[in-house]
Amino acid sequence: NAGVTQTPKFRVLKTGQSMTLLCAQDMNHEYMYWYRQDPGMGLRLIHYSVGEGTTAKGEVPDGYNVSRLKKQNFLLGLESAAPSQTSVYFCASSLDSSSQPQHFGDGTRLSIL
Amino acid sequence: GQNIDQPTEMTATEGAIVQINCTYQTSGFNGLFWYQQHAGEAPTFLSYNVLDGLEEKGRFSSFLSRSKGYSYLLLKELQMKDSASYLCAVRDSNYQLIWGAGTKLIIKP
Repeated sequence: NAGVTQTPKFRVLKTGQSMTLLCAQDMNHEYMYWYRQDPGMGLRLIHYSVGEGTTAKGEVPDGYNVSRLKKQNFLLGLESAAPSQTSVYFCASSLDSSSQPQHFGDGTRLSIL
Repeated sequence: GQNIDQPTEMTATEGAIVQINCTYQTSGFNGLFWYQQHAGEAPTFLSYNVLDGLEEKGRFSSFLSRSKGYSYLLLKELQMKDSASYLCAVRDSNYQLIWGAGTKLIIKP
């Protein structure tokens, strides 16, 4: 049972570089989410998707873009990385948006120098 | 604004009982979740409350009072492996999860 898989697990970037974080889920979930987790703060929602081909902004979307071309994949892009984007990024998925819990990937630890 | 408050850190003894509190002020309420997160790992789902009262699941129980904006997670017969952060999250009127910063629980032998 793979669940939610994130790649890469670690990455170091220089300011201004771009990269894409990949998330794949094999549970046929409609909903997918990208969060960032910073010390002393709760998880903050960056972007989310309620189904294939849809995306929506969360609490902290600036500097990030996403795409959901296939139901099982949700990509998070950083066009021009900034040190403030140094964080741990978690992808999650859920069957619905009400009572069903979100299932998380193992995270991507991203450092921007 | 929306706010979820949890103690930053708690310490308990192996074999004992600990209660982790969570208070919330959100725009609407559509359920409350508790997650466990070991250091360097992903959050994993523990419990869900949408109605007032106690939900029991083995050694873990979760309580909700919607009128007080309050929940707690009760962990019994503590084991060393319970050392982790415990995250409280509330689903608001837009069905988005609002997360607390988490409570780091330290278990001592």
